[in-house]
Amino acid sequence: QVQLQESGPGLVKPSETLSLTCTVSGGSISNYYWSWIRQPAGKGLEWIGRIHTSGSANNNPSLKSRLTMSVDTSKNQSSLKLTSVTAADTAVYYCAREVDRGSGRWFDPWGQGTLVTVSS
Amino acid sequence: DIQMTQSPSSLSASVGDRVTITCRASQNISSYLNWYQQKAGKAPNLLIYAASSLQSGVPSRFSGSGSGTDFTLTISSLQPEDFATYYCQQSYSTPRTFGQGTEVEFK
Repeated sequence: QVQLQESGPGLVKPSETLSLTCTVSGGSISNYYWSWIRQPAGKGLEWIGRIHTSGSANNNPSLKSRLTMSVDTSKNQSSLKLTSVTAADTAVYYCAREVDRGSGRWFDPWGQGTLVTVSS
Repeated sequence: DIQMTQSPSSLSASVGDRVTITCRASQNISSYLNWYQQKAGKAPNLLIYAASSLQSGVPSRFSGSGSGTDFTLTISSLQPEDFATYYCQQSYSTPRTFGQGTEVEFK
């Protein structure tokens, strides 16, 4: 079955750029939206944004213009870049596939998540 | 943005109890409502999609209902492995939004 794996630096300095990659295995990345979702320690889930393999993307307005996402179908990977990070960006970051059927849209599967800490 | 409000924020229950969690959307989201279970240190896992459809592999003691703005997740007979945090999520529009979570604790 499809599996997702996030990867990237676990520690980022304030004001720098957070970069993460989601590698998809067991299936094709094509024709889906791939979302990024984060969760600060002890808190709830926040949707960051999504990108389709066609290039169409949607960002959470709360992140303003700090977010860039991309997809590489040749590598079966989706990537996220978040600029000008602060301590408030410290969280576990998940990638998830958004399944879209006539009856609805949902996140499945999810990656295991990767902890990113913003600290000097 | 569509705000999702869950209640209660936490509850204490015993094995075998019937548990009900509610989720209210700030506007009509039709049936674009999903439920996830999250255990400590793990990623969320899809339980219910499109308000009432049971995800493959999820035990039938889990059920979902509702449409429009009011939704319910019910666990008919709580099992030891069900102690976790549950989140609702709307997929009607972007930004996608989640409820704040309901922690189900052992009484």
